[in-house]
Amino acid sequence: AQSVTQLGSHVSVSEGALVLLRCNYSSSVPPYLFWYVQYPNQGLQLLLKYTSAATLVKGINGFEAEFKKSETSFHLTKPSAHMSDAAEYFCAVSEGDKIIFGKGTRLHILP
Amino acid sequence: GAVVSQHPSRVICKSGTSVKIECRSLDFQATTMFWYRQFPKQSLMLMATSNEGSKATYEQGVEKDKFLINHASLTLSTLTVTSAHPEDSSFYICSAIPGTPYEQYFGPGTRLTVT
Repeated sequence: AQSVTQLGSHVSVSEGALVLLRCNYSSSVPPYLFWYVQYPNQGLQLLLKYTSAATLVKGINGFEAEFKKSETSFHLTKPSAHMSDAAEYFCAVSEGDKIIFGKGTRLHILP
Repeated sequence: GAVVSQHPSRVICKSGTSVKIECRSLDFQATTMFWYRQFPKQSLMLMATSNEGSKATYEQGVEKDKFLINHASLTLSTLTVTSAHPEDSSFYICSAIPGTPYEQYFGPGTRLTVT
């Protein structure tokens, strides 16, 4: 079965600093990987997805993620954090039609 | 494109009553929809997979008689929480597949509070 592990349930960065949210996956086949963002009391919005094309995936809002097979990782980054980036971020992997979510990382932006 | 709506966004009901939540794909047809439950400060837990015109497939541990799912058309799936109890209070989110493989679009969620 596929799974993802997000390291750090809470991450705090200063406004303007680099954002790095870590995700490692476990998959027996080439995975499809996703990052979603959730703002309070809202549904999930897709930030970006990896579907075995380019290993560096660019998403919305300045986020990007790099698929590293040797490290089984799909970390999410953004060069410069903005206050509006404060939210919950979920890494996810596909399993057939289903999506398996990590436990989430809450990103806090410090002024 | 690929917009999914849910109705209602919030609902408060008394213990013992039933509540219906609607999930609609507004600009695409979805043969498959999913229902998730999210407890405060936790991840999404898949409850069931809803397929148009057939019975839903429930995940292990989800009571199918308590959480009734109907997928009557290619744009509408409903989740009915029957005989609701306070422990059913949660955030329920649906999603739909627009045809792009392995990609789901999520609704805005429904906050259910059972008093």
